[in-house]
Amino acid sequence: NAGVTQTPKFQVLKTGQSMTLQCAQDMNHEYMSWYRQDPGMGLRLIHYSVGAGITDQGEVPNGYNVSRSTTEDFPLRLLSAAPSQTSVYFCASSYSNGNKETQYFGPGTRLLVL
Amino acid sequence: RKEVEQDPGPFNVPEGATVAFNCTYSNSASQSFFWYRQDCRKEPKLLMSVYSSGNEDGRFTAQLNRASQYISLLIRDSKLSDSATYLCVVNTGNQFYFGTGTSLTVIP
Repeated sequence: NAGVTQTPKFQVLKTGQSMTLQCAQDMNHEYMSWYRQDPGMGLRLIHYSVGAGITDQGEVPNGYNVSRSTTEDFPLRLLSAAPSQTSVYFCASSYSNGNKETQYFGPGTRLLVL
Repeated sequence: RKEVEQDPGPFNVPEGATVAFNCTYSNSASQSFFWYRQDCRKEPKLLMSVYSSGNEDGRFTAQLNRASQYISLLIRDSKLSDSATYLCVVNTGNQFYFGTGTSLTVIP
């Protein structure tokens, strides 16, 4: 199993550009989520999905869109990048959102918006 | 108020020392609790789940006090390889909330 994979590893964008961060998992997990990690802020939930076709907002959803057309894939779209979106982005998955479920994280995408 | 609060440290301890981290959470309806470990520039990885009865995994012991909304992690006989950031995580149903992490450096 590859686990959770994310692409790209690094990206530099100019303000106003759009891009999609890719996330895929091969563990047949129902629950997937996107976080951003900033210094002094910890990981904050952007969006999550409890299964194909179902998505919901987390703590900091503004400026980001997601979709979940398959169990495996959960892309994160930045529609018009802003410097405030400079961060490290992690995708995670688990069997469900239930009690005692381990979340498995991808290696992260480091994004710089100029 | 943050959902999960941790002392950021840093904690610098000698090899063999015992060190304790604490964490508080604000939502009394929180359902499950975890400690994750994150190495520099890497993704977080589960260290252990935390149960109300307390649980131990080798040199690591986790405790949960639901009445005080308090979680702790004790590391005994610290190793150099324990140097990392330790994240307190709380699940409230559909969402996981992370503390900002506590940095630990174990010194030879």
